[in-house]
Amino acid sequence: DADVTQTPRNRITKTGKRIMLECSQTKGHDRMYWYRQDPGLGLRLIYYSFDVKDINKGEISDGYSVSRQAQAKFSLSLESAIPNQTALYFCATGVTFSGELFFGEGSRLTVL
Amino acid sequence: GQQVMQIPQYQHVQEGEDFTTYCNSSTTLSNIQWYKQRPGGHPVFLIQLVKSGEVKKQKRLTFQFGEAKKNSSLHITATQTTDVGTYFCAVHHNNAGNMLTFGGGTRLMVKP
Repeated sequence: DADVTQTPRNRITKTGKRIMLECSQTKGHDRMYWYRQDPGLGLRLIYYSFDVKDINKGEISDGYSVSRQAQAKFSLSLESAIPNQTALYFCATGVTFSGELFFGEGSRLTVL
Repeated sequence: GQQVMQIPQYQHVQEGEDFTTYCNSSTTLSNIQWYKQRPGGHPVFLIQLVKSGEVKKQKRLTFQFGEAKKNSSLHITATQTTDVGTYFCAVHHNNAGNMLTFGGGTRLMVKP
């Protein structure tokens, strides 16, 4: 079983719909991250959290919100999806400030 | 925001040829990480470099961190088809808090 699990793995939705991507981890890590991947742009940080009461904006937080429900769960929401939010979304976990990140399998979102 | 430039964007090599990807920053880096993402997969941590001028090897992969801690390279000797994928550098900047910024990646294609 994967240590970092994302659901759904694939989702097609329409403009204006609310979408939630969920991430859960069994690694016991405090730090959790949401990244977005677009071809040629690498991975861009949307939000990150260092514990349940800590939420921080990343490079591209506009149009997104997050919730850290528990140490093991970090969800990403698109309140009103738009086509340019079509992308591959990755959740990641980490232990220390400069340590490696462990990525989930990704959630591919298509907004029509 | 903080940026890190990665070149080339694509590289197509014959199996057995060498490959190098470069990561450059205009600001001094705290450390640099390298990740590999296989086609259809998720990024997987390869290594972290911390010290000025540091060189680390993993079998056919050689990682270097520049003396000024503003650039890094990943060199693969005698590529194999299993090396196919996208290689990303990721950096913590000294002045950018806890954000890990990824380069745009270099996609390596190996012709057998």
